[in-house]
Amino acid sequence: ETGVTQSPTHLIKTRGQQVTLRCSSQSGHNTVSWYQQALGQGPQFIFQYYREEENGRGNFPPRFSGLQFPNYSSELNVNALELDDSALYLCASSPLGGGVPYEQYFGPGTRLTVT
Amino acid sequence: DQQVKQNSPSLSVQEGRISILNCDYTNSMFDYFLWYKKYPAEGPTFLISISSIKDKNEDGRFTVFLNKSAKHLSLHIVPSQPGDSAVYFCAASGNNYGQNFVFGPGTRLSVLP
Repeated sequence: ETGVTQSPTHLIKTRGQQVTLRCSSQSGHNTVSWYQQALGQGPQFIFQYYREEENGRGNFPPRFSGLQFPNYSSELNVNALELDDSALYLCASSPLGGGVPYEQYFGPGTRLTVT
Repeated sequence: DQQVKQNSPSLSVQEGRISILNCDYTNSMFDYFLWYKKYPAEGPTFLISISSIKDKNEDGRFTVFLNKSAKHLSLHIVPSQPGDSAVYFCAASGNNYGQNFVFGPGTRLSVLP
């Protein structure tokens, strides 16, 4: 069974640029959630995708957008990067409706630095 | 406004003793609570959960207690082992599909040999 994978591991971008982060969900999982974890804080929910549709969103501006593909992998896109976007971005997958409904499996994260 | 609080940024415990990590929440609509642990350079790993219909859930060395009236939960680890050294996050959710987990800021546990 393959776990949740994310790419790239690290990324450095300049303020105003755009970035795309990628996530492959765990085998058999059809739901993907994205979180932002700033230094010294807990993960903060950005949004969730289920069957290629957004299924809930946290308090993040529209310049944070996402996609989910038919194979349940997902992308997080951030436009017009700001310095405060520097954080660890975590992807988590879960088998919505099956097993333990709330259990989410996290990937190792992508460390984004905006300069 | 932090809806999930972990007021102890760090905790040190001797190997073999009990570790108690605390978590408080403010939103009475939360009905499911989870604990995750996180090692450096890895994503959070699910540890144990509890729903609001229970006040205790046990899994091996890990037990979570929920006091709904006080809006407080705690994670007990007995006996503590050096491999338990990690950052522990408390998380809460208020719907049936696991969206919008709200995480606390975490407590760094160090288990000393």
